[in-house]
Amino acid sequence: DAMVIQNPRYQVTQFGKPVTLSCSQTLNHNVMYWYQQKSSQAPKLLFHYYDKDFNNEADTPDNFQSRRPNTSFCFLDIRSPGLGDAAMYLCATSRDPGYQETQYFGPGTRLLVL
Amino acid sequence: AQSVAQPEDQVNVAEGNPLTVKCTYSVSGNPYLFWYVQYPNRGLQFLLKYITGDNLVKGSYGFEAEFNKSQTSFHLKKPSALVSDSALYFCAVRVYSSASKIIFGSGTRLSIRP
Repeated sequence: DAMVIQNPRYQVTQFGKPVTLSCSQTLNHNVMYWYQQKSSQAPKLLFHYYDKDFNNEADTPDNFQSRRPNTSFCFLDIRSPGLGDAAMYLCATSRDPGYQETQYFGPGTRLLVL
Repeated sequence: AQSVAQPEDQVNVAEGNPLTVKCTYSVSGNPYLFWYVQYPNRGLQFLLKYITGDNLVKGSYGFEAEFNKSQTSFHLKKPSALVSDSALYFCAVRVYSSASKIIFGSGTRLSIRP
């Protein structure tokens, strides 16, 4: 089945230690998104890629970076995680960035910062 | 500014009874509205969307939503609730100025008692 895959499902890191979360998709979608979700709150968009074009949200901290080496994979890098970065990180994809397009989400990676 | 509101943090319904999860929106231009469901420690699953056309939209798992332009609402409904419907539900709207961006409501926790 076509899907959005996130690994690992749970990630533990230390305060200030860089961490990378990964997302892959078999949907062949052009757009990939990263969201941060804290404590059952609404997901908050961090950034997205449309093909190779990177689009950062204005309020996303510089501590968060992303890479998309090819259509299938997208990575979220947190350069120096703080305690406040502990959250669920959701990857999503859509075929195109149009208004009608549905975003399909992966299962998420829960990040714990010690 | 575009926004979406879910006025109820929690909705409790007995199994077999009809359920409604409320959502109101504020957008510039035509609204593009979505409902997602999130089970514990999982990503968001797409339920249904309204783009244009019939005001009653049918989605997954027997859910439907009614678009009401005069009341700027998009309430989620199901005729007969199941215990397995217990989850966190998010209403979402496309941001008119950025087709890629979805704004989520704060979420409504639906609890179905046997």
